[in-house]
Amino acid sequence: GIQVEQSPPDLILQEGANSTLRCNFSDSVNNLQWFHQNPWGQLINLFYIPSGTKQNGRLSATTVATERYSLLYISSSQTTDSGVYFCAVYGSSNTGKLIFGQGTTLQVKP
Amino acid sequence: ETGVTQTPRHLVMGMTNKKSLKCEQHLGHNAMYWYKQSAKKPLELMFVYNFKEQTENNSVPSRFSPECPNSSHLFLHLHTLQPEDSALYLCASSQDPGGFYGYTFGSGTRLTVV
Repeated sequence: GIQVEQSPPDLILQEGANSTLRCNFSDSVNNLQWFHQNPWGQLINLFYIPSGTKQNGRLSATTVATERYSLLYISSSQTTDSGVYFCAVYGSSNTGKLIFGQGTTLQVKP
Repeated sequence: ETGVTQTPRHLVMGMTNKKSLKCEQHLGHNAMYWYKQSAKKPLELMFVYNFKEQTENNSVPSRFSPECPNSSHLFLHLHTLQPEDSALYLCASSQDPGGFYGYTFGSGTRLTVV
């Protein structure tokens, strides 16, 4: 099946710093989502981004489907950005299955 | 709130108990899913329901029994669980069976088996 790899696995930032999270996937995908899981366990959808670039406030994401990767940018990080960031893909051969990467754990220090 | 509600938020149960997890969505979605998140592991898909019909069982042990009475409600019945079943159980829904327009997740039920 399709493999999803995220890097780095862990990231510690000082408040105000910028960061880039990466998601590589091993096969063609129909779509891709970025999620933020808060300390209480809730998964919040950040972006639904099969290709191209989207921005939402301090966050933006870019997916280059032909090269099988996606990037999540966090600018001017805040302590509330802490948590785990997941990339998840819908494989073109796995209809109905959302396959998750192992996540990037972000800690933003004040 | 995301539109997908899970209850209870926390559950502690003994290995001989029977309990149920509930998931409810009022988004008008047609597909619902159960995922398991164990410590230090990626989320694992357990079950998929499209229009109330189960379309995926990802080799889940029979001590987990799903039920989908309608497109808005999904249950996970638990019996004779093991301590290694302790995890965060997440419910999700999507507009279409393929999830093409994205998934919406609930807040999860944190299950501890003692």
